[in-house]
Amino acid sequence: SQQGEEDPQALSIQEGENATMNCSYKTSINNLQWYRQNSGRGLVHLILIRSNEREKHSGRLRVTLDTSKKSSSLLITASRAADTASYFCATDGAQKLVFGQGTRLTINP
Amino acid sequence: EAQVTQNPRYLITVTGKKLTVTCSQNMNHEYMSWYRQDPGLGLRQIYYSMNVEVTDKGDVPEGYKVSRKEKRNFPLILESPSPNQTSLYFCASSLDLDYTQYFGPGTRLTVL
Repeated sequence: SQQGEEDPQALSIQEGENATMNCSYKTSINNLQWYRQNSGRGLVHLILIRSNEREKHSGRLRVTLDTSKKSSSLLITASRAADTASYFCATDGAQKLVFGQGTRLTINP
Repeated sequence: EAQVTQNPRYLITVTGKKLTVTCSQNMNHEYMSWYRQDPGLGLRQIYYSMNVEVTDKGDVPEGYKVSRKEKRNFPLILESPSPNQTSLYFCASSLDLDYTQYFGPGTRLTVL
């Protein structure tokens, strides 16, 4: 069963613009993670935010978490062509990490 | 270099021919898991292991087996593969469930 669901499913923007992706989940969590996947490759961890945190930054990435709304957002600022990838949120379910279906981000030159 | 390795990376096989996909990590991680990724369905967990000799089913365990005899290895076994197991498989490991998961490069399996 899916815990996290990303929105939108696909996003296409111009290089230099900001990209925002959202994740909603259903049950309470200890933490929420975001991963990136380049086509056909393994997932790469981007950032982990704990349930008692509201915002976290890492380079051009900004993640927010609203536990009252059971939602999180990932903002990529000043996008680059290399940011083209699929982005997944993952939440800790019962003894396992549950991934959403991802947002496919395309950065156009 | 800290990494998760999977072998083989690509495999084409026929229905019913038993196969094993190996997974190994060199980070002394306790938690390991297997996922399959299919278009439109995202990543779905097959099996996971909290530690040596401790394994449990994920969301889609049917048709798969695993074992965890050593901390570093977590092989995925398909006793009698079928075409609906054609997929991209990922192994992952982490210190614990609450920590960053490190993913292997993936194994693309085709069952004819």
